[in-house]
Amino acid sequence: GENVEQHPSTLSVQEGDSAVIKCTYSDSASNYFPWYKQELGKRPQLIIDIRSNVGEKKDQRIAVTLNKTAKHFSLHITETQPEDSAVYFCAASSSRSNTGKLIFGQGTTLQVKP
Amino acid sequence: DTGVSQNPRHKITKRGQNVTFRCDPISEHNRLYWYRQTLGQGPEFLTYFQNEAQLEKSRLLSDRFSAERPKGSFSTLEIQRTEQGDSAMYLCASSRGTRGGTEAFFGQGTRLTVV
Repeated sequence: GENVEQHPSTLSVQEGDSAVIKCTYSDSASNYFPWYKQELGKRPQLIIDIRSNVGEKKDQRIAVTLNKTAKHFSLHITETQPEDSAVYFCAASSSRSNTGKLIFGQGTTLQVKP
Repeated sequence: DTGVSQNPRHKITKRGQNVTFRCDPISEHNRLYWYRQTLGQGPEFLTYFQNEAQLEKSRLLSDRFSAERPKGSFSTLEIQRTEQGDSAMYLCASSRGTRGGTEAFFGQGTRLTVV
């Protein structure tokens, strides 16, 4: 069935360093890959997304890369700041069902130490 | 606030009782989703509406769960005969579109505790 694996489960970096979170997906028909940030007690919020016809997308300090052949995609955060501390979820949506439903990874807790 | 709104924010209920949650999506969004999130996990898909039609239900959605979206606006999720395993955060999301993945906006969720 559809599955998304996310690593690492926790990540601790010093302020100013880069952080990388990796996800792999099982459904080769997946074509939409969003990343959500969830702060404690708050709703998940979209920070960046990428479609399968694009290999890389960047938005200021955040970038996402997609390797369709290997079925994996990664989130890169540069120049991390304490306010980047949160849980990050990757997700994938497949063209098979056409509903746009998201299959989420297990989440990565990012801690940015000042 | 013009975002997705969910009520109540918190619900504590005794095992065996029925509960109902409400979601008000962003007004122009035709798609509405329900997800369940347990501690330390990512959200899990429960069900999907396109306008008023419920087009997909997860195997996670047992026959004790029912969802509606009358008139294609707000949605309700009802859990009958609650069990302790139903304790979780129930998230609603909405988006626009008819094909494929599109940006989904989440509500703040309803945290259910079954005692």
